Amino acid sequence: NAGVTQTPKFQVLKTGQSMTLQCAQDMNHEYMSWYRQDPGMGLRLIHYSVGAGITDQGEVPNGYNVSRSTTEDFPLRLLSAAPSQTSVYFCASSYGGGAWNIQYFGAGTRLSVL
Amino acid sequence: KNEVEQSPQNLTAQEGEFITINCSYSVGISALHWLQQHPGGGIVSLFMLSSGKKKHGRLIATINIQEKHSSLHITASHPRDSAVYICAVTIQGAQKLVFGQGTRLTINP
Repeated sequence: NAGVTQTPKFQVLKTGQSMTLQCAQDMNHEYMSWYRQDPGMGLRLIHYSVGAGITDQGEVPNGYNVSRSTTEDFPLRLLSAAPSQTSVYFCASSYGGGAWNIQYFGAGTRLSVL
Repeated sequence: KNEVEQSPQNLTAQEGEFITINCSYSVGISALHWLQQHPGGGIVSLFMLSSGKKKHGRLIATINIQEKHSSLHITASHPRDSAVYICAVTIQGAQKLVFGQGTRLTINP
């Protein structure tokens, strides 16, 4: 059972470039979410989804887009990368349509924007 | 003020010591989560609780809903317990988690 798979593990971008961080889960979880983790700060919610076709903004959504066309996949798109988006990104999923169940996290994507 | 506050921020102890990490929150919640993150590693869920107490091996988590406080205890601590421990809450009526800043625990042999 793969759980939550994030790709890539590492990425370096130049300012202004765009890219997509991939997140896939094979547990048939309805709830999926994206977080960023910065030194000295707790994890912060970027976007979340309670099921296929439904997404909503979290605490820090600016500069990021998401879509949820299938239950399994929840990609995060950086539209025009900025140095402030240098961070470690985690995807998570859980059973049910909310964040009230055990969360399963991916291994993270370490992103540097130069 | 953060909605979720953890203390201490850093904790260093000797192998075998009893460890307590505290989490206080200021909002209504439907669940509280304790997570573990090893250096350079991913994040693993240790406990999810909405009342009372849960135990898994040497780890014990308690929550007092009236006082809006939770504790994570580690008995007979071991160097492999060295990690960042994160408290997170599911806000009541919302579909998202809010995280504390984490407690960095170092257990020396």
